[in-house]
Parts: sequence; structure tokens; C-alpha cells
Amino acid sequence: DVKVTQSSRYLVKRTGEKVFLECVQDMDHENMFWYRQDPGLGLRLIYFSYDVKMKEKGDIPEGYSVSREKKERFSLILESASTNQTSMYLCASSLDRTGRIGYTFGSGTRLTVV
Amino acid sequence: GESVGLHLPTLSVQEGDNSIINCAYSNSASDYFIWYKQESGKGPQFIIDIRSNMDKRQGQRVTVLLNKTVKHLSLQIAATQPGDSAVYFCAEMPYSSASKIIFGSGTRLSIRP
Repeated sequence: DVKVTQSSRYLVKRTGEKVFLECVQDMDHENMFWYRQDPGLGLRLIYFSYDVKMKEKGDIPEGYSVSREKKERFSLILESASTNQTSMYLCASSLDRTGRIGYTFGSGTRLTVV
Repeated sequence: GESVGLHLPTLSVQEGDNSIINCAYSNSASDYFIWYKQESGKGPQFIIDIRSNMDKRQGQRVTVLLNKTVKHLSLQIAATQPGDSAVYFCAEMPYSSASKIIFGSGTRLSIRP
């Protein structure tokens, strides 16, 4: 089974801090994605990557950046955390770019910015 | 904008009864649909999928029905069990790109003993 591991289940950070959310997958998937999940809004795509060193903006990239230095690892960075970035963050990976093969989510990181 | 919506935000079902969770979609280009289950504190888990050339697909205790005429998707869970308590949401794919998946906001299913 594909495993997508997010390093932290819960995080509490202060406004203005730089925050790193880490995601690692163990099935050699080229495609990785970061979403945030808020009540009543569904999952919204922040950034995605189809290859090492490659990144593309999703629907809500403002206030975020990403890093993909290795194939298995995709990091989400909050340059200066704000309270409106309090959310559940979900990482996903997939075998193909369509998302129809092997699309798997991690367990999520619940981030609270105070 | 186009979105995937759910008719009911919460659903309470007696243990042992069948559950039906509904989803409306608006993008007629969508040709692939997925249902996910998300338990408290966990990431979404794939339950079942269906392509637009089908109107019904069955899994273990679950059935997905697709009505393209009215752009409606439903998930039926037979003999609902306490372990089925979770948020269920649908996703549609209007394009062959994972970056374009549209996710619904979810329905919370609770089970009465």
C-alpha cells in the first residue's frame, strides 16, 4: 500500500512564524499535492508538483510556498503564519497526473495559528 | 463557479439500516467520480469510484449510483455499522488532471445504536 506520511498530526504556531509542513510518500510517485480543508468548503488545492524541483500553483497559493528537492518529499511552507491559515492540511500523491491511479492522502496536519 | 455540493450536511441513521448520501455536481464535463470516507482525525480514504459510462457500481456493502441526466451521485451503504461513522464526500474530475479535482464539502454520517 502507498503510504503518505505527514510528520505532524497537530501543530500550534504563533502569528508571524515560519512554518514547515512535511509530507513523504514511499511509492515513488512523481505527483504530489497540498490541500487545505475547512468546514463547509471542501478541499482546496494550494500547490502541486509533478516532478522534483517542479511546482505549480493551485487555487489558493497566496501565503504559501513549497519545496520539492527529492521525489519522495513535498514540503509546504507558510512564510509568515497568520490566523486565517488555521486549518487541516492534507498531502496527497498519485502515480499518474490524472489522479486516477493510486491517488492517496496522508492523515493530515491540523495547524492552529494563535 | 462550478462546485460539487451535498444535499445534506448531516445524516443520522439507525444501526443496521441502509444509508444514502447524496451529491450534486454541475460540471457536465466530469467523467470520473470518487467517494471518500474521512474519519475523525484521519485523512480521506478512497471508498469507490465510477466512470461516466456507468450508472451503477457496487463494492463491499457500498453502491454508487450516477445519474448524468440530473447530475447526481449517491453513495449507498448497506447495513450501516458504527464503524461507518465518518464524513463522506464526493469528488468529480472534469479533466484528466489531478490538479482539477473538485471536492465536495462532505456529509457527516452518525449511527444511532
